[in-house]
Amino acid sequence: ETGVTQSPTHLIKTRGQQVTLRCSSQSGHNTVSWYQQALGQGPQFIFQYYREEENGRGNFPPRFSGLQFPNYSSELNVNALELDDSALYLCASSLFYERATDTQYFGPGTRLTVL
Amino acid sequence: LAKTTQPISMDSYEGQEVNITCSHNNIATNDYITWYQQFPSQGPRFIIQGYKTKVTNEVASLFIPADRKSSTLSLPRVSLSDTAVYYCLVGEGNQGGKLIFGQGTELSVKP
Repeated sequence: ETGVTQSPTHLIKTRGQQVTLRCSSQSGHNTVSWYQQALGQGPQFIFQYYREEENGRGNFPPRFSGLQFPNYSSELNVNALELDDSALYLCASSLFYERATDTQYFGPGTRLTVL
Repeated sequence: LAKTTQPISMDSYEGQEVNITCSHNNIATNDYITWYQQFPSQGPRFIIQGYKTKVTNEVASLFIPADRKSSTLSLPRVSLSDTAVYYCLVGEGNQGGKLIFGQGTELSVKP
């Protein structure tokens, strides 16, 4: 519906491993944001990328990193996984203007389980 | 810091109008107010966005008073499929697209 796709849909990892999640932005959008949503909570902002550079970051440690590619697809990498990293990871794409709340369109998410 | 406050839950019946009010007393002067709907294990879905006064689209209306310290999402004639969590969002300043999600309002529509 929104044009934002994410892969994989589900993923199981063990503590200490590394994971890469992928996002394909909606056509024409140049900005991607990543969020972590724990069960029963609202999404928490991880970071945003605009034109391949990080453009803002939430309160997440450096082991959460990202990339945005020239075609505006994006990756979220998490190193040294911890049990608390188990969550739904959402990416959202938008056209970046000046306002933080320019409309963001979300993908379906990747459910990560860390054992 | 921008922060939103919403009721944690609301109950309604099919066919009723539902109004969900959110307070946001530290909103940036040029930021929009945005509402999203989320079903379990899905990404949030954009509902409506506004800056001031009233905005209406095919699914909802948004009322924003002149002081912009609150907003009210109005869903006309809800159905069972409107059972979901609703979030109001304001920006965290002009940098970084940082959307601040609160706890949201869990709306339960009963037959």
